[in-house]
Amino acid sequence: EDQVTQSPEALRLQEGESSSLNCSYTVSGLRGLFWYRQDPGKGPEFLFTLYSAGEEKEKERLKATLTKKESFLHITAPKPEDSATYLCAVQALHSSASKIIFGSGTRLSIRP
Amino acid sequence: ETGVTQTPRHLVMGMTNKKSLKCEQHLGHNAMYWYKQSAKKPLELMFVYSLEERVENNSVPSRFSPECPNSSHLFLHLHTLQPEDSALYLCASSQAVRGDGYTFGSGTRLTVV
Repeated sequence: EDQVTQSPEALRLQEGESSSLNCSYTVSGLRGLFWYRQDPGKGPEFLFTLYSAGEEKEKERLKATLTKKESFLHITAPKPEDSATYLCAVQALHSSASKIIFGSGTRLSIRP
Repeated sequence: ETGVTQTPRHLVMGMTNKKSLKCEQHLGHNAMYWYKQSAKKPLELMFVYSLEERVENNSVPSRFSPECPNSSHLFLHLHTLQPEDSALYLCASSQAVRGDGYTFGSGTRLTVV
């Protein structure tokens, strides 16, 4: 069964303290892995798509990496405005083109 | 307007009421989705519409009834809900063939009393 597990469930950092969020996945062939950011009271906002092991994507203080079993979202020198829940999702190669499986998310808090 | 717009933002309804959630997208996407988001649980896919045709129904109770009159609009009709149906209901759209990242609306926070 296709599965996505995110850790930790919650992470509190001091402003400027770099860290990483983990997304472990089990799928029968990966079509794509997605990262989203969700602010309280809002829908998720798309950040990155990764398609193959070794691929990396960057956006401001965020960098997403992918291996055959997991993805990391590295956050460098975070600021309070980076506080949000970060969701990971995967799409299996042989699933319908529209079906994506989400993890439970990591709730990130950055203290000033 | 651009993006995906959902109305209402908040809804409180009794278990015997009938209400509808509305979603509208102005992105030219071919696929639209309803998701349910409950506290500390992953997003649960409810329905998928591709080119106005329902392509998936993930064992959702019949008290939830979707409608997609055209590729820009999606509705979720609600009747005789239960308190456990209280959640954030999210609409999303995408270009179905690519299967790339979704664009989500801000959701409707539903409370069933």
